[in-house]
Amino acid sequence: EVQVVESGGGLVQPGGSLRLSCAASGFTFSSYAMSWVRQAPGKGLEWVSSVTNTGGGTYYADSVKGRCTISRDNSKNTLYLQMNSLRVEDTAVYYCAKFGSGSYLDYWGQGTLVTVSS
Amino acid sequence: QSALTQPASVSGSPGQSITISCTGTSSDVGGYNYVSWYQQHPGKAPKLMIYDVSDRPSGVSNRFSGSKSGNTASLTISGLQAEDEADYYCSSYTSSSTRVFGGGTKLTVL
Repeated sequence: EVQVVESGGGLVQPGGSLRLSCAASGFTFSSYAMSWVRQAPGKGLEWVSSVTNTGGGTYYADSVKGRCTISRDNSKNTLYLQMNSLRVEDTAVYYCAKFGSGSYLDYWGQGTLVTVSS
Repeated sequence: QSALTQPASVSGSPGQSITISCTGTSSDVGGYNYVSWYQQHPGKAPKLMIYDVSDRPSGVSNRFSGSKSGNTASLTISGLQAEDEADYYCSSYTSSSTRVFGGGTKLTVL
């Protein structure tokens, strides 16, 4: 059974940093691109970042470019999102999601809540 | 990276059909057959319902169908059921190799 489980969320002050992790199982992690998608309270989904299966290609939304870094460790079946210079508007549930064979997200985690507040 | 445009809400009675539109540009929806649709119930993770404009993952009811014309994609749900009440989001690949979501549509089953 495919599973992706996020961790690392929590309360952080504006300007602070946080590292999210996503543990994957049930599929060959190194064969699939992965992505982070977030959802602010009461708002819609926002794509944040994606990484190719090898980690050689990374892509970011303009809203996080320069402040976030996506990475993966295929030996540990784990995806990461390093978030720096956090802003109040970064408050959201962050979902880890697996790409299918094409440009769609076929499995999603349950999300981890990041709250940026003083 | 502007969000795709979806109606904020749609509604229908059980057994009826509804269609949700998703409008983008030639740099996303119109330029690629990489539109996907997601269903999200309150407090739950999104679930893939349609991918590559009109393909259905295994396990998704054939009451759900997708299509595209120009810069606008559509999700149609036929034979509405109470459990279809949820938020629906479209998404597309873009010319910048990024992804973009629509603002979401709340479906109410009357």
